[in-house]
Amino acid sequence: SAVISQKPSRDICQRGTSLTIQCQVDSQVTMMFWYRQQPGQSLTLIATANQGSEATYESGFVIDKFPISRPNLTFSTLTVSNMSPEDSSIYLCSVEEQDLTNYGYTFGSGTRLTVV
Amino acid sequence: QKEVEQDPGPLSVPEGAIVSLNCTYSNSAFQYFMWYRQYSRKGPELLMYTYSSGNKEDGRFTAQVDKSSKYISLFIRDSQPSDSATYLCASFYNQGGKLIFGQGTELSVKP
Repeated sequence: SAVISQKPSRDICQRGTSLTIQCQVDSQVTMMFWYRQQPGQSLTLIATANQGSEATYESGFVIDKFPISRPNLTFSTLTVSNMSPEDSSIYLCSVEEQDLTNYGYTFGSGTRLTVV
Repeated sequence: QKEVEQDPGPLSVPEGAIVSLNCTYSNSAFQYFMWYRQYSRKGPELLMYTYSSGNKEDGRFTAQVDKSSKYISLFIRDSQPSDSATYLCASFYNQGGKLIFGQGTELSVKP
């Protein structure tokens, strides 16, 4: 399966600042997904990023707050803008994978963000 | 009502026990079902993938889907301390689509 590297693995940020999270995949993928996992809660999809087009955001998430770049088929970034303590979460990127016998979504190890 | 409901636990069992983890879902359009395991400070790892109803077995793990009752189960036989993790069920409509996750069940297997 694909290997996904996320940077940074964790960060502590001041409110009002922005953080850019990088996601690098070791193979070319069409779609990349960004999820948020708030403390004690499950994963929620933020947006879907296709190379060469604008990201598609889920209800409750907007581009001004979570701008996404997808410059090529192996890389994407998610920026958390103008952060507040409510943005403290784990942010994960994910890719869809399929072969002859299996199908699934692979996740990176996540970026643990704390906003103070 | 959440689209996928899962008892968050925590669930504690002795080593060697059979573990049953369960989810319910509300949307009959869901066709694909997955179980993920998430260790502390790690990303979710895909355990099992099932399409439509039926059972699927992989080693000590069995995934079961009953679409008539909208019920998803994961059974772990001969549980080990290394199985201690949070288990997440997920459903979606079609390939390439949005995964809807349950809240996750925290499992602890005691030696």
